[in-house]
Amino acid sequence: AQSVTQPDIHITVSEGASLELRCNYSYGATPYLFWYVQSPGQGLQLLLKYFSGDTLVQGIKGFEAEFKRSQSSFNLRKPSVHWSDAAEYFCAVGAIAAGNKLTFGGGTRVLVKP
Amino acid sequence: DAGITQSPRHKVTETGTPVTLRCHQTENHRYMYWYRQDPGHGLRLIHYSYGVKDTDKGEVSDGYSVSRSKTEDFLLTLESATSSQTSVYFCAVKVAGGDEQFFGPGTRLTVL
Repeated sequence: AQSVTQPDIHITVSEGASLELRCNYSYGATPYLFWYVQSPGQGLQLLLKYFSGDTLVQGIKGFEAEFKRSQSSFNLRKPSVHWSDAAEYFCAVGAIAAGNKLTFGGGTRVLVKP
Repeated sequence: DAGITQSPRHKVTETGTPVTLRCHQTENHRYMYWYRQDPGHGLRLIHYSYGVKDTDKGEVSDGYSVSRSKTEDFLLTLESATSSQTSVYFCAVKVAGGDEQFFGPGTRLTVL
């Protein structure tokens, strides 16, 4: 069965500093990986996705993520955080051969200090 | 937003009552999904549909049923609501030609 672990429940970062959110997955085949962001009281917005090819993927809002098969990781990064990046971030792995079902991690809440 | 609306957006109900949540989409997406979101658990799949009258269970389907009698509507029913079903419920669709899912605004359900 597939699973996703986000080891950090909360992260606090200063505005302008870099951000890295960790994601580790377990999946029996080549994974389809996603990062979503959820602002308070809102739905989920897709930041980026990885299916194959270049292991460094670019997303919206200046985010990028790197797929590392050897470490079963798909960490999300942003070089310089803005106050508007305060939100909860979810990593997910997709079972494309089984109805495109997504399995989510527990989420990481990011707080941005002025 | 992939043309998704959810209704109601907020609901408070009592234990033992039936509840139906509606997901409506306007873009003819084939695949639709229901998730619940609880603190520390992220989102967990309840049921999904891959076409009219075609549905299957997710990882937390106990206590829930679904129906899809037309492409645009996917209904989630709690036959007899329990306090453990207090949660935020999200509907999602998969757009044709892609593998990512797009989510609706959510329904906050409180079972007293």
